[in-house]
Amino acid sequence: GQNIDQPTEMTATEGAIVQINCTYQTSGFNGLFWYQQHAGEAPTFLSYNVLDGLEEKGRFSSFLSRSKGYSYLLLKELQMKDSASYLCAVVGGDYKLSFGAGTTVTVRA
Amino acid sequence: GAVVSQHPSWVICKSGTSVKIECRSLDFQATTMFWYRQFPKQSLMLMATSNEGSKATYEQGVEKDKFLINHASLTLSTLTVTSAHPEDSSFYICSANPGTDYEQYFGPGTRLTVT
Repeated sequence: GQNIDQPTEMTATEGAIVQINCTYQTSGFNGLFWYQQHAGEAPTFLSYNVLDGLEEKGRFSSFLSRSKGYSYLLLKELQMKDSASYLCAVVGGDYKLSFGAGTTVTVRA
Repeated sequence: GAVVSQHPSWVICKSGTSVKIECRSLDFQATTMFWYRQFPKQSLMLMATSNEGSKATYEQGVEKDKFLINHASLTLSTLTVTSAHPEDSSFYICSANPGTDYEQYFGPGTRLTVT
C-alpha cells in the first residue's frame, strides 16, 4: 500500500517563505510530484523529482531524499495568489499516482 | 500544449438517473487516462485507469458496474455514473498521460450533485 503524509494546514505572511514537508512509504518509487490546487479547480503541475536533490524553478523549489522517503516544497516570496492546497503525489511501482491529503496554505497580508 | 478538457463542468441530476462525463485530450494522444474522485477538503482518490481499446482497471472498493468507463479513442474517455445516489455527489477529475513520461495532465473537473 501507499502512505503519504503532509501537514494539513500552514499559514504564512506575504513575502515570507514556507516549506511543506511530505513523507512517503510506497511500493516502488518512480518519482514524486507536487501540484497546486485552488478550490474547485483541477491540480496544476509544479514540480517532479525522481533523483535526490533540489530542483529550483522560480519562486518554487522541490527537494527529494529517496533514502529518507522525504520531500519538501519551498515557496519563496509568498504572494496572496499562492493561497491554495498543495498536493504531494508519488508514482509507485505500478506507475499510478498516489496523493497525500494536501496542505492548505493561507497567505496573510 | 497538453490540454485536457472535461464536459460538463457541473451537473445536477436526480437520484436514480445516470450521468455521463467526457474527458478529452485536445492536443495530444493519451495512451492512458485516469479518473479520480475528490470529496470536500480531501485529496484525489484514484477510481480507475483506462487504456484505449481495453477494459478499465478499477481500484479496490470502486464498483465497476456503477462507474462505467469507456476509452473509445486515444483522445476520449467517458465516465458514466449509473443509478446515481446523493453519496455519489463529488468532484470528478480526469487526467491523461501521453506515454512519454509519468506526468498526468488534469482536466478542469466536473462537479456532480445528486439530489
